[in-house]
Amino acid sequence: NAGVTQTPKFRILKIGQSMTLQCAQDMNHNYMYWYRQDPGMGLKLIYYSVGAGITDKGEVPNGYNVSRSTTEDFPLRLELAAPSQTSVYFCASSYSKGQGTDTQYFGPGTRLTVL
Amino acid sequence: RKEVEQDPGPFNVPEGATVAFNCTYSNSASQSFFWYRQDCRKEPKLLMSVYSSGNEDGRFTAQLNRASQYISLLIRDSKLSDSATYLCVVNPLSGGSYIPTFGRGTSLIVHP
Repeated sequence: NAGVTQTPKFRILKIGQSMTLQCAQDMNHNYMYWYRQDPGMGLKLIYYSVGAGITDKGEVPNGYNVSRSTTEDFPLRLELAAPSQTSVYFCASSYSKGQGTDTQYFGPGTRLTVL
Repeated sequence: RKEVEQDPGPFNVPEGATVAFNCTYSNSASQSFFWYRQDCRKEPKLLMSVYSSGNEDGRFTAQLNRASQYISLLIRDSKLSDSATYLCVVNPLSGGSYIPTFGRGTSLIVHP
């Protein structure tokens, strides 16, 4: 199993550009998550999905959009990039039975800089 | 009050030392708790779950105190390779789902 994969690893955007961060998992996990991590800070949840076709906002959703058309893929879309979106973005997945005891598996991250 | 709070450190300890971290949480309805480890510029990885009765994995011991709403991580006989950031994770129930909430992490530096 490849686990959770993310592309690209690095990206520099200009203010106002848009891009999609790709995330895929091959573990048949039902839950998937997008986090951002600013330097010296913890992870902040952007969006999450409990299954294909179902997404919900996390703590910091403004400026982002997601979709979950398949169990495997959970892309994150940045529209009109701003310097405040400079961060490391982690995708994660877990197999949840609805009891909150599941382990999250993370991708290697995408380092995004907006200039 | 933040949902999950940790002392960011850094905790600077010599090899062989015992070090302990605490993490407090605000949502008393939280059901499950974890410690993740994050190496510099890497993704977080599960270190251990925290059970109500406490649990031990080699040199690592995790404990939960529901009354005071905190969890702890004890590392005995510290190794250089233990240098990392340790993230506390709490799973409160939100909108019918358990959604992980991360603390900002505690940095540990183990020196020779």
